[in-house]
Amino acid sequence: NAGVTQTPKFQVLKTGQSMTLQCAQDMNHEYMSWYRQDPGMGLRLIHYSVGAGITDQGEVPNGYNVSRSTTEDFPLRLLSAAPSQTSVYFCASSGLTGETQYFGPGTRLLVL
Amino acid sequence: AQTVTQSQPEMSVQEAETVTLSCTYDTSESDYYLFWYKQPPSRQMILVIRQEAYKQQNATENRFSVNFQKAAKSFSLKISDSQLGDAAMYFCAYQSNFGNEKLTFGTGTRLTIIP
Repeated sequence: NAGVTQTPKFQVLKTGQSMTLQCAQDMNHEYMSWYRQDPGMGLRLIHYSVGAGITDQGEVPNGYNVSRSTTEDFPLRLLSAAPSQTSVYFCASSGLTGETQYFGPGTRLLVL
Repeated sequence: AQTVTQSQPEMSVQEAETVTLSCTYDTSESDYYLFWYKQPPSRQMILVIRQEAYKQQNATENRFSVNFQKAAKSFSLKISDSQLGDAAMYFCAYQSNFGNEKLTFGTGTRLTIIP
C-alpha cells in the first residue's frame, strides 16, 4: 500500500503562476482534505471532500480550487499564486469519522 | 467553532524521563474525538494516540498516554521513558462526531530530548 501520495515534493512558483498539487490515496477512503502548515499556526484546513463529486470549503479556501472526480484523487489548484501561499501543503484521507486520518508527505511551495 | 490551544510552544526533557504536553479545547459538543499527532523533522504527520470523548478511560499506546478531563476540556499527553526518537513537533487535534471529519489543530509543541 502506498497510502497517501503527494506530488511534487517541492515547487517554486512566480507570483501569478498557476499550478496543481496532486494527491492520491489507495485506501478507498471517502474523506480527503487539504491543509496548509505555516510557522506558529499549526495546520489549517483549506478544502475537503466527503466523496467523489462533493467538495466544501475549510478555514482558508481563498485562492484555491479543488475537485473530486474519483475516490482516489483530490487535486488542489492554485489559480494565481501569491507570496502569501508560500507554505507546506498536506493532503489527508480517512474513512469514517474518528478513524485515523492518514497524511501525505507534504508539498513545500515557495512563491516568489 | 471549535478551538484547540497548546500553551507550550517548546518543551524539553532528559532522555528516559517523563514529560507532559498540555492541550485544551473549546467546544459546545458532547461527542467528539481528540488526537495527538507527531511531526518529526521529516515533516510526516504520524498519529500518536486518539481518544473518544464518550469513553472515560484514558487512552494509552505503549509509552504514550493521555489525561482526558472532559469537564475541564483538557487533553494532555504524557510520554514516559523519553527517547531521542521522540523529538518532534506534537499537535493536538479535535474532530467533531457530527458528520464532519475535519480536524482542528493546535499550534503545536516542539519537544526536545536532552541526551
